[in-house]
Amino acid sequence: DTGVSQDPRHKITKRGQNVTFRCDPISEHNRLYWYRQTLGQGPEFLTYFQNEAQLEKSRLLSDRFSAERPKGSFSTLEIQRTEQGDSAMYLCASSSQGDNQPQHFGDGTRLSIL
Amino acid sequence: AQSVAQPEDQVNVAEGNPLTVKCTYSVSGNPYLFWYVQYPNRGLQFLLKYITGDNLVKGSYGFEAEFNKSQTSFHLKKPSALVSDSALYFCAVRTPDSGNTPLVFGKGTRLSVIA
Repeated sequence: DTGVSQDPRHKITKRGQNVTFRCDPISEHNRLYWYRQTLGQGPEFLTYFQNEAQLEKSRLLSDRFSAERPKGSFSTLEIQRTEQGDSAMYLCASSSQGDNQPQHFGDGTRLSIL
Repeated sequence: AQSVAQPEDQVNVAEGNPLTVKCTYSVSGNPYLFWYVQYPNRGLQFLLKYITGDNLVKGSYGFEAEFNKSQTSFHLKKPSALVSDSALYFCAVRTPDSGNTPLVFGKGTRLSVIA
């Protein structure tokens, strides 16, 4: 049973550059979530997909952020024109359908903006 | 709006002693409550959940949690702590009655188990 996989694990980039992260969920899960976690905080919800449909977006998700899940399998999160404040751990999670189902997390992508 | 409070940033306990990590929540409607653990540079691992039914929920690695509706609490417990339990613990809540609500996490509690 493979878990949620995220790539890359670490990304260092200069301010103003674009970055893209990938998440491969557990294969039988139709829900996929993106969270952002900063030091000393719990994960903060960014967006979620049910199959290929993006059903919810947080106000945290500025117009520089875009997420896709084109075939209802893997997902990408792109940040355009990165800023210092974007430095964080970006976590992906997946779950079966149902609000009582636990979310299973990947190990995250740590983004550092120089 | 739903929220979770973890009142202790840090909990220290001696190995072999019982441990408690506290969590209180605020929601309108019935809560679904979850506990997760995070080790350094890793994602969150699911420990246990309360959906309905018995107020005492048992989960992974010997952890359990007690749902108390009157006190709006969901404290995590373990009868005998291990050094390997040292990690960051997160409580989370969602309310299914409100549509597609996301999981809301607390700020986390760092547990240190001392040998």
